[in-house]
Amino acid sequence: EAGVVQSPRYKIIEKKQPVAFWCNPISGHNTLYWYRQNLGQGPELLIRYENEEAVDDSQLPKDRFSAERLKGVDSTLKIQPAELGDSAVYLCASSSWGRESNTDTQYFGPGTRLTVL
Amino acid sequence: GQNIDQPTEMTATEGAIVQINCTYQTSGFNGLFWYQQHAGEAPTFLSYNVLDGLEEKGRFSSFLSRSKGYSYLLLKELQMKDSASYLCAGISGGYNKLIFGAGTRLAVHP
Repeated sequence: EAGVVQSPRYKIIEKKQPVAFWCNPISGHNTLYWYRQNLGQGPELLIRYENEEAVDDSQLPKDRFSAERLKGVDSTLKIQPAELGDSAVYLCASSSWGRESNTDTQYFGPGTRLTVL
Repeated sequence: GQNIDQPTEMTATEGAIVQINCTYQTSGFNGLFWYQQHAGEAPTFLSYNVLDGLEEKGRFSSFLSRSKGYSYLLLKELQMKDSASYLCAGISGGYNKLIFGAGTRLAVHP
């Protein structure tokens, strides 16, 4: 079974430029998450989708960040314009009720490492 | 707020046993996950505890005490490949939101 796919893996941009990240979740997973992980820290949730509906975007900086999941499958996260403090790893995860954990288990993609210069 | 605390770094010897502790505020969490994250890679699921007690899975075991707001991950027969960060995460709220700790970087030495 293919895992969560993200692209690009690495992105270097200058501040004030726009940037977009793409995520394709595990097939059949209706729930999709975007996280930001700063160096030496745990992931922090930015937005959660149930199918195409954003059910929790309370931690998404809406002045510069936007996300969409139009058909309830793959998703894009955009930053416009990027700031120096946006340098981080952006992780996508998807979830389903897992037999191995008997709960809703999140599976993560490899992430996009963003560097803003 | 909802805080999760874990040691920043630990070291251990190959073949030994190591216990990584995690403490959290007792209110609001419905369960606790442990993830492993190798440098530059995605977090991968290790274990989940919702009830008090020990869950064993091969070389890895996880323990939860809800009344004490305490969990630990026990790694036995350590291997070099176990060198990684170990993330403790609590589930909070109706949407099962994961709140992660900063992670514990484990270095396994020969």
